[in-house]
Amino acid sequence: DIQMTQSPSSLSASVGDRVTITCRASQSINSYLNWYQQKPGKAPNLLIYAAITLQSGVPSRFRGSGSGTDFTLTISSLQPEDFATYYCQQSYSIPYIFGQGTKLEIK
Amino acid sequence: EVQLVESGGGLVQPGGSLRLSCAASGFTVSNYYMNWVRQAPGKGLEWVSVMYSGGSTYYADSVKGRFTISRDSSKNSLYLQMYSLRPEDTAVYYCARQYSGSYLDFWGQGTPVTVSS
Repeated sequence: DIQMTQSPSSLSASVGDRVTITCRASQSINSYLNWYQQKPGKAPNLLIYAAITLQSGVPSRFRGSGSGTDFTLTISSLQPEDFATYYCQQSYSIPYIFGQGTKLEIK
Repeated sequence: EVQLVESGGGLVQPGGSLRLSCAASGFTVSNYYMNWVRQAPGKGLEWVSVMYSGGSTYYADSVKGRFTISRDSSKNSLYLQMYSLRPEDTAVYYCARQYSGSYLDFWGQGTPVTVSS
């Protein structure tokens, strides 16, 4: 199975900050990497797919990058509604493993 | 408008069974890969199972042999039959549509399952 290692597991930041979350796959997954945002008590919401493509309706302050084994989610200027938990997921092969999540908290 | 609505969750004793349903609208379930993903209390997301549009099914090792994914085209619904339930199966269960065999673009609101005596 492909393992996904996400870091950091938690992050404190302020409104307006730029933050970066990293996801590393245990083997190459090409660009089969997706990012989701989840708020408490809600279902996950797709942000970015195929490593770099912004899902329709997602603000442009979210950016994905990477390919192969190393991927990054960057939020350029944090807004209050961005404080949530973020997960990466590989869709290269079954099982479609998720990263363990990064909880983004207000400083 | 695409919608997924799960139902069937509840409290069940260890060793018991439960069948979850996911009613879809706005698209045809049998034309897509459809997944079940779960989240234990306070934990991260865990992929559980997928059914391909062609009918092939796959499972996480943690549920293989105990859970069965299926669909009913006449009801445009996805199901997860769960047997031999364990306390560690306690979670909110989400169904999710997989677009282009890649990403999960639509999710239901989830249905909670509690396995406890």
